[in-house]
Amino acid sequence: AQKITQTQPGMFVQEKEAVTLDCTYDTSDPSYGLFWYKQPSSGEMIFLIYQGSYDQQNATEGRYSLNFQKARKSANLVISASQLGDSAMYFCAMRRDATGNTPLVFGKGTRLSVIA
Amino acid sequence: GAVVSQHPSWVICKSGTSVKIECRSLDFQATTMFWYRQFPKQSLMLMATSNEGSKATYEQGVEKDKFLINHASLTLSTLTVTSAHPEDSSFYICSARGTPGLYFGPGTRLLVL
Repeated sequence: AQKITQTQPGMFVQEKEAVTLDCTYDTSDPSYGLFWYKQPSSGEMIFLIYQGSYDQQNATEGRYSLNFQKARKSANLVISASQLGDSAMYFCAMRRDATGNTPLVFGKGTRLSVIA
Repeated sequence: GAVVSQHPSWVICKSGTSVKIECRSLDFQATTMFWYRQFPKQSLMLMATSNEGSKATYEQGVEKDKFLINHASLTLSTLTVTSAHPEDSSFYICSARGTPGLYFGPGTRLLVL
């Protein structure tokens, strides 16, 4: 069975600073996908970034980058130049099959608060 | 991009009534949709996998007779909470396969009085 662990219930960061949100995972599947979603207070789930288990390079999307360390089974999200609008819950998730039609398993989330 | 809609956004109902939540894929066909539930300050928990034209697959601990799922077309899946009780109050989110992750609906907040 797959498992996602997010050990930081809450994080604070100063505006314009970078912040790293931790995520470790456990799976026995050789093919998997790792995701980060942002959930503001409205409840919508906003896709941020994706990393496939066979991807050689770390994924980047604008101010978001994923620090993928396969041997350590970690997939930390790095947000650079934090903005007040980044304050939200952040969920790390995994899909068993990187390309298949399977559901996501979510971690417990980290609440990020950006301070002016 | 692909959009998933949910209706209604908010539901307040009396205990014992049934509530139907609709999930639609607006510009793509979804043979499979997933229903999640999220209690306050908790993570999303998968309830069931909805398959078009066949029975839904429920996760362990989810009562299939209480949470009826119907995936009658390639663009619509419905979740019916039957005989709702206050403990069913939650945020229900549907999702469908996207590229590369899942597309999520905006969610339905259910409050059972």
